[in-house]
Amino acid sequence: GAVVSQHPSRVICKSGTSVKIECRSLDFQATTMFWYRQFPKQSLMLMATSNEGSKATYEQGVEKDKFLINHASLTLSTLTVTSAHPEDSSFYICSAPSRGNTEAFFGQGTRLTVV
Amino acid sequence: GQSLEQPSEVTAVEGAIVQINCTYQTSGFYGLSWYQQHDGGAPTFLSYNGLDGLEETGRFSSFLSRSDSYGYLLLQELQMKDSASYFCAVRDGNSGYALNFGKGTSLLVTP
Repeated sequence: GAVVSQHPSRVICKSGTSVKIECRSLDFQATTMFWYRQFPKQSLMLMATSNEGSKATYEQGVEKDKFLINHASLTLSTLTVTSAHPEDSSFYICSAPSRGNTEAFFGQGTRLTVV
Repeated sequence: GQSLEQPSEVTAVEGAIVQINCTYQTSGFYGLSWYQQHDGGAPTFLSYNGLDGLEETGRFSSFLSRSDSYGYLLLQELQMKDSASYFCAVRDGNSGYALNFGKGTSLLVTP
């Protein structure tokens, strides 16, 4: 299957700072990428759909000014958590759909801890 | 909206067969998928059913009945490494066809 690379895998930051998470499609072009958040023992919840060359589409309840998404190229989408708070501590994971949309390729995920 | 229901926990012994059921409600259907996730890891794709019937991939099989809005994942010859969370998922046509996941089934395989 195709490879999606996500960095960093773990990050600890102080309250009030910003953290950028990168998601790259290594061997294919992804016009669309999806960003999910997963709290412990819970399911993956879609945060936003990242579209290359246009604005991201955010799910209801997700603050677009807090979770900045940029998809400037066909192989890179970034999620920036701005002014992070402890309640933002979570597992963030990106994915890109396969051609034909039958499969999703996931990045390794980023464990964010805000202290 | 969409909703998916699956059991929260299942326990089975090594070598056994286990079936994880999933029922869904969705206004537009674009197939049912199954993903495995080990603790701390990313989900990995197991199977996709776009049409009714059984799909087999090694020890794993998946079934879909669109008329019943129901599917299941069948794991055979269970191994300890199969202990993980298993998610069924459908695509959301209102969110760029992103996957909408069920709450997950935690499978524990015991010796």
